[in-house]
Amino acid sequence: EAAVTQSPRNKVTVTGGNVTLSCRQTNSHNYMYWYRQDTGHGLRLIHYSYGAGNLQIGDVPDGYKATRTTQEDFFLLLELASPSQTSLYFCASSEGSSGNTLYFGEGSRLIVV
Amino acid sequence: GEQVEQLPSILRVQEGSSASINCTYENSASNYFPWYKQEPGENPKLIIDIRSNMERKQTQGLIVLLDKKAKRFSLHITDTQPGDSAMYFCAASANSGTYQRFGTGTKLQVVP
Repeated sequence: EAAVTQSPRNKVTVTGGNVTLSCRQTNSHNYMYWYRQDTGHGLRLIHYSYGAGNLQIGDVPDGYKATRTTQEDFFLLLELASPSQTSLYFCASSEGSSGNTLYFGEGSRLIVV
Repeated sequence: GEQVEQLPSILRVQEGSSASINCTYENSASNYFPWYKQEPGENPKLIIDIRSNMERKQTQGLIVLLDKKAKRFSLHITDTQPGDSAMYFCAASANSGTYQRFGTGTKLQVVP
């Protein structure tokens, strides 16, 4: 079974604050993704990567940066958090790109007050 | 257009009956259609998928149908049980270099 671990699981920050969400996968997968989940919107892709040092934008990248430091580690950065970024964030990995199963982490709930 | 539409957003069925969720997609190049189940407080997990070279796929009480002409695919859960209560997401993706886009989700409630 694929293993994707996220931290922190819960985070509260103030508007304008700096937040880093971390994700580690131990599946030797090439692809890693950051999605946000909001009621009425489903899962929307923020950023993804197909290898260390690579970064691709998804459908809702504004206000987010990301960095893939190794094959295992993918970080999502909110440098000036806003209340609109209050959400449940999921990291996922897959062996290949679009036609492969996504394995999701446990989720990170972020509240921006 | 790359959107994936999913309906209904909420579905309430009697235990033992069938439940159907429908999705439509815009990109005619889409060729992979997975379905994910998300139980309360959990992460989404793949339950079944279908590729564009098939029209029907069945596994363990789940049936997926794909109509490429109509750009529509659907999930049918037969003989629903309380354990089927969850959020269900459809997704679609095209060839390599793209990513899975998700529908907005269906909350399925199976009542006794």
